[in-house]
Amino acid sequence: AQSVTQPDIHITVSEGASLELRCNYSYGATPYLFWYVQSPGQGLQLLLKYFSGDTLVQGIKGFEAEFKRSQSSFNLRKPSVHWSDAAEYFCAVGWTGGGNKLTFGTGTQLKVEL
Amino acid sequence: SAVISQKPSRDICQRGTSLTIQCQVDSQVTMMFWYRQQPGQSLTLIATANQGSEATYESGFVIDKFPISRPNLTFSTLTVSNMSPEDSSIYLCSVRDQLTSNEKLFFGSGTQLSVL
Repeated sequence: AQSVTQPDIHITVSEGASLELRCNYSYGATPYLFWYVQSPGQGLQLLLKYFSGDTLVQGIKGFEAEFKRSQSSFNLRKPSVHWSDAAEYFCAVGWTGGGNKLTFGTGTQLKVEL
Repeated sequence: SAVISQKPSRDICQRGTSLTIQCQVDSQVTMMFWYRQQPGQSLTLIATANQGSEATYESGFVIDKFPISRPNLTFSTLTVSNMSPEDSSIYLCSVRDQLTSNEKLFFGSGTQLSVL
């Protein structure tokens, strides 16, 4: 069965610093990969997604993620973090034949220090 | 993109009671999904609700505990029955992007449930 691992439960970065959130997945074929952000009191918002093609995908709010098949990873990056980026970030995987089901990682809580 | 309204946004309930959560979408969607996010945990799919048919439940979830209604293409409800403190979670409704087949999901803002 497919699974998603986000090894970092909490991350703290200074405003303006770069950010990388890690995500590893376990799935036999090429998955569909997503990053969602959940701000306090808000629902989940899709940041970006990967289905095929270019392994470096650009998302909203200046985020990007790179799919690395050899490492089974889909890490989220941002070159310069803003205080408003403080939130919880979820990596998720879907798969061909899985319908619309997604398997989510346990999330990474991002804190931004001013 | 779909806009999803979920009510209530939060509630505090007594053990043994039931709560019905409503999910309203601003466009017609075939499939709606209910997720649960327990404290410190990731999101877990409870069930898939298709209009005109019985909901499909994931392993570990049963209809008697989480009955779902789907009366039309824009609305669904999830009831958490006979609640216990273990049911304290955030419950999220989501729908799939109808315009593409790329598995994109939209989520409501969630219902924060606390059971005393």
